[in-house]
Amino acid sequence: KNEVEQSPQNLTAQEGEFITINCSYSVGISALHWLQQHPGGGIVSLFMLSSGKKKHGRLIATINIQEKHSSLHITASHPRDSAVYICAVRSEGNYQLIWGAGTKLIIKP
Amino acid sequence: GAVVSQHPSWVICKSGTSVKIECRSLDFQATTMFWYRQFPKQSLMLMATSNEGSKATYEQGVEKDKFLINHASLTLSTLTVTSAHPEDSSFYICSAPIGQGVYQPQHFGDGTRLSIL
Repeated sequence: KNEVEQSPQNLTAQEGEFITINCSYSVGISALHWLQQHPGGGIVSLFMLSSGKKKHGRLIATINIQEKHSSLHITASHPRDSAVYICAVRSEGNYQLIWGAGTKLIIKP
Repeated sequence: GAVVSQHPSWVICKSGTSVKIECRSLDFQATTMFWYRQFPKQSLMLMATSNEGSKATYEQGVEKDKFLINHASLTLSTLTVTSAHPEDSSFYICSAPIGQGVYQPQHFGDGTRLSIL
């Protein structure tokens, strides 16, 4: 079993739909990252969380430390949101990241 | 704007060639940088941790003599793939945390797509 599990692996939705991507982890962490990987491969850091909830534009990220679970939500999804979304956790005490396998999101117009 | 610059973005070269990839931190000093590799349709995997002024720390299964890492200054880490072969074709990406402490965010380079013919 991987230390970081993401679901779903693939998600196709219509423009405007509310999107939820989930991340569960089994190790102690100091922080959790949500990242977006563009089709060309470049990675953008969306959020870094250690507790609670963060919001940036149409993106919302939540984390429940007790349940070792985080969710990334996209409201009013748009085709430009199509990308791979990756959850990564930073294990306690160091910088190294443990990566989820990613969720490939396609938003159809 | 980008805070971590990675160069080149795409390399195509013949088998046996050595390829150097640069990762620069812009406007901040990075005592630590990370190098990752991603094969098609797979997750990113940490290859090594680059430490300024000291030897890099390699993950299990990563050949030190194959993937040479040099972190000679606080703003530059280089990864050299020596005598590259087709199986080394992959997407390589670096990252650097800003500041000290485990709660600092990491910033990523745009990655280098390496294709060995």
